[in-house]
Amino acid sequence: AQKITQTQPGMFVQEKEAVTLDCTYDTSDQSYGLFWYKQPSSGEMIFLIYQGSYDEQNATEGRYSLNFQKARKSANLVISASQLGDSAMYFCAMRESPSGSARQLTFGSGTQLTVLP
Amino acid sequence: NAGVTQTPKFRVLKTGQSMTLLCAQDMNHEYMYWYRQDPGMGLRLIHYSVGEGTTAKGEVPDGYNVSRLKKQNFLLGLESAAPSQTSVYFCASSYSGHREKLFFGSGTQLSVL
Repeated sequence: AQKITQTQPGMFVQEKEAVTLDCTYDTSDQSYGLFWYKQPSSGEMIFLIYQGSYDEQNATEGRYSLNFQKARKSANLVISASQLGDSAMYFCAMRESPSGSARQLTFGSGTQLTVLP
Repeated sequence: NAGVTQTPKFRVLKTGQSMTLLCAQDMNHEYMYWYRQDPGMGLRLIHYSVGEGTTAKGEVPDGYNVSRLKKQNFLLGLESAAPSQTSVYFCASSYSGHREKLFFGSGTQLSVL
């Protein structure tokens, strides 16, 4: 089973509107972290936001927020007031507890977001 | 701040040739990683290291070798390149702990003909 699932290969959003990018994960660990990265067409990987499994509040970073539903094992990224510069590939990733072999960051397949003027 | 530096940025190889990708980080991170990125498949972990002198296999290790002789450097080797290894390769590093984000290099575009 895939550890990280992003079911939306592509999304479109109108400029200035909000958009939600879906991410579900699979883990048996109680302690883990969830990350979102942005990859623009230039190719670099840009960290956006982090959510810990024990964090009581949903993470927010500027226009980015994370809708964390632990029981459903989902960690959806919400981008408010979309801008043209938000057009990029977005990756959800998970890091399980740092023991044994679970020290790596596992990525989903990504969602290509296009912001329309 | 240099962060994570990968060299080279582009490379073209013929099938059967060998090469080494170099990754250097100046943040004193314990953990280092090599990922490959292919269309529609996200980033897949090739090998990683949790400290100087240690390496471990990731999801797709076949055809690659790595070494971490110094804490700041992590080398990825292809002994006999194959067209299936055409990809974009990313190096990353982090502190230990599940709350720690990865810092990425700018990537290496490798084509094997």
